[in-house]
Amino acid sequence: GESVGLHLPTLSVQEGDNSIINCAYSNSASDYFIWYKQESGKGPQFIIDIRSNMDKRQGQRVTVLLNKTVKHLSLQIAATQPGDSAVYFCAENGVDSSYKLIFGSGTRLLVRP
Amino acid sequence: DTEVTQTPKHLVMGMTNKKSLKCEQHMGHRAMYWYKQKAKKPPELMFVYSYEKLSINESVPSRFSPECPNSSLLNLHLHALQPEDSALYLCASSTRTGGSYEQYFGPGTRLTVT
Repeated sequence: GESVGLHLPTLSVQEGDNSIINCAYSNSASDYFIWYKQESGKGPQFIIDIRSNMDKRQGQRVTVLLNKTVKHLSLQIAATQPGDSAVYFCAENGVDSSYKLIFGSGTRLLVRP
Repeated sequence: DTEVTQTPKHLVMGMTNKKSLKCEQHMGHRAMYWYKQKAKKPPELMFVYSYEKLSINESVPSRFSPECPNSSLLNLHLHALQPEDSALYLCASSTRTGGSYEQYFGPGTRLTVT
């Protein structure tokens, strides 16, 4: 079945360092992937997305990498700041319905001052 | 306006109560969603409305009843809930144009069933 998983449930980084959050997906037919950030007490907030015809996409301080060969997705955050502390979810589009996003289990990012 | 609003922010209800959650967006999105999120878990899809018609019901118990009065509003009517229904209820919306699957989420309603 479809699944999106994360390797690390909690990631602790020093302020100013780069963070890498990883995600594995199982459905090779998925063609859209998205990262959300969820701060405590808030709804998920869009960070960046990527389609399967791309390997890399950059935003402001964030980069998403897609490796379709090994079905792996990663989110890189440059110069991590205290405000980056949150839970990060990857998601892929559900191939049985374009309305569905299949969420991974989430990674908590803790930024040490 | 790129915001999805939800009311109330917090709700405490007894198992015999009837209450409603409300969601509103003015982005012209024609798809709206209800999700349930338990602590430390990802959002779980409950319902999808597309062009004001129920498109997906993820086998949600009938004690949850969605309603989409118009293209900007989405309600979730609650009746005879159980304590295990306590969770964060998230509303989201998305456009169906341009091949984008991005869903915009509201801040959620924190529901406690006593």
